[in-house]
Amino acid sequence: AQKVTQAQTEISVVEKEDVTLDCVYETRDTTYYLFWYKQPPSGELVFLIRRNSFDEQNEISGRYSWNFQKSTSSFNFTITASQVVDSAVYFCALSSNQGAQKLVFGQGTRLTINP
Amino acid sequence: DGGITQSPKYLFRKEGQNVTLSCEQNLNHDAMYWYRQDPGQGLRLIYYSQIVNDFQKGDIAEGYSVSREKKESFPLTVTSAQKNPTAFYLCASSLSGRWGYTFGSGTRLTVV
Repeated sequence: AQKVTQAQTEISVVEKEDVTLDCVYETRDTTYYLFWYKQPPSGELVFLIRRNSFDEQNEISGRYSWNFQKSTSSFNFTITASQVVDSAVYFCALSSNQGAQKLVFGQGTRLTINP
Repeated sequence: DGGITQSPKYLFRKEGQNVTLSCEQNLNHDAMYWYRQDPGQGLRLIYYSQIVNDFQKGDIAEGYSVSREKKESFPLTVTSAQKNPTAFYLCASSLSGRWGYTFGSGTRLTVV
């Protein structure tokens, strides 16, 4: 069975601090896909990034970066120089090439950036 | 622009009434999903459909029903059998799971 664990339920930092959101996953599939979504207070989940299991290159997009390590089954998300607008709930998710290909979501991490 | 439309944004229901939440997509996606989210909680899968005229129960299907008569539409009915329906409901669609989901903006249902 597939599983995603986001051990940090809530994180609170002061603006401009760097913050890392952890994501650990479990799967027996060799081909799988990892995602991060952002849920602002408005409620809609917004896609941030997709990574397949064969691509372990880290990704940077502006202040956002992602660190994918198959050896530790982790796909962590770092926000550099955080801003108040980054306040949201962030979900990590996993899907595979097999079966119904549903996404399995972690429980989410609520990030609060204080001014 | 392509996307998913959920309506209404806010919905109030009296106890004992059935209510239907609308979800429409124009992304030509085959698969559609319904999730429930309670305050401070994660997403729980209610029902999903991978093709027209077919759907499967998710983790918390009791008290809910769906239909998939058209590719574009996947309405969710919250029946009176659902004992605690007050929640935020999210609809999503996908071409396939490997590409992730596109989400609607959600419907906040309150039982009064």
